[in-house]
Amino acid sequence: DIQMTQSPPSLSASLGDKVTITCQASQNINKYIAWYQQKPGKAPRLLIRYTSTLESGTPSRFSGSGSGRDYSFSISNVESEDIASYYCLQYDNLPWTFGGGTKLELK
Amino acid sequence: EVQLVESGGGLVQPGRSMKLSCAASGFTFSNYGMAWVRQAPTKGLEWVATISYDGSSTYYRDSVKGRFTISRDNAKSTLYLQMNSLRSEDTATYYCTRVSSGSSGYYFDYWGQGVMVTVSS
Repeated sequence: DIQMTQSPPSLSASLGDKVTITCQASQNINKYIAWYQQKPGKAPRLLIRYTSTLESGTPSRFSGSGSGRDYSFSISNVESEDIASYYCLQYDNLPWTFGGGTKLELK
Repeated sequence: EVQLVESGGGLVQPGRSMKLSCAASGFTFSNYGMAWVRQAPTKGLEWVATISYDGSSTYYRDSVKGRFTISRDNAKSTLYLQMNSLRSEDTATYYCTRVSSGSSGYYFDYWGQGVMVTVSS
């Protein structure tokens, strides 16, 4: 199974900050990574697929990059509505595996 | 609008069975693979099982193989998860998800609101 090591587990930011979350795969995942946002008590919402393609409705302050084993997800100009947990997902190989998650909080 | 609505969760004793359902609407159900993803309380997301658009192929995580069965009824636009020999570690919110179909690979694009399954005596 491909392991996805996501960091940091938690992140504290002020409104307007830029934050970055990383996911490192245990092997090359050929850019097949997606990023999800989950607010408390809600289902995850897909934000980005294939490393950097924003889903319809995803604000442009969200971005993704990377290749090989190393990927990152950024939010520029953090807004209050961005306070949530974020997860990466690799879908290059079965079984699908998620990162451990990053909880974004307001400083 | 894509909608996925799960049902069938609740409290069940260890070793017993439970069947989850997911009613889909807003898209052509028979054109898409579907999956179940779960989340234990205060934990992260974990893929459970996937079924192809026509039900001919199924995939399971190792810890549920032989105990869980994913199935679908395309005439009713409904996805199922039959869970047998339940264990305490199966306690989680179970999400029904649609598997995207496209050149960007197979990922989970739409999610239901989730249904809680608690395995406890």
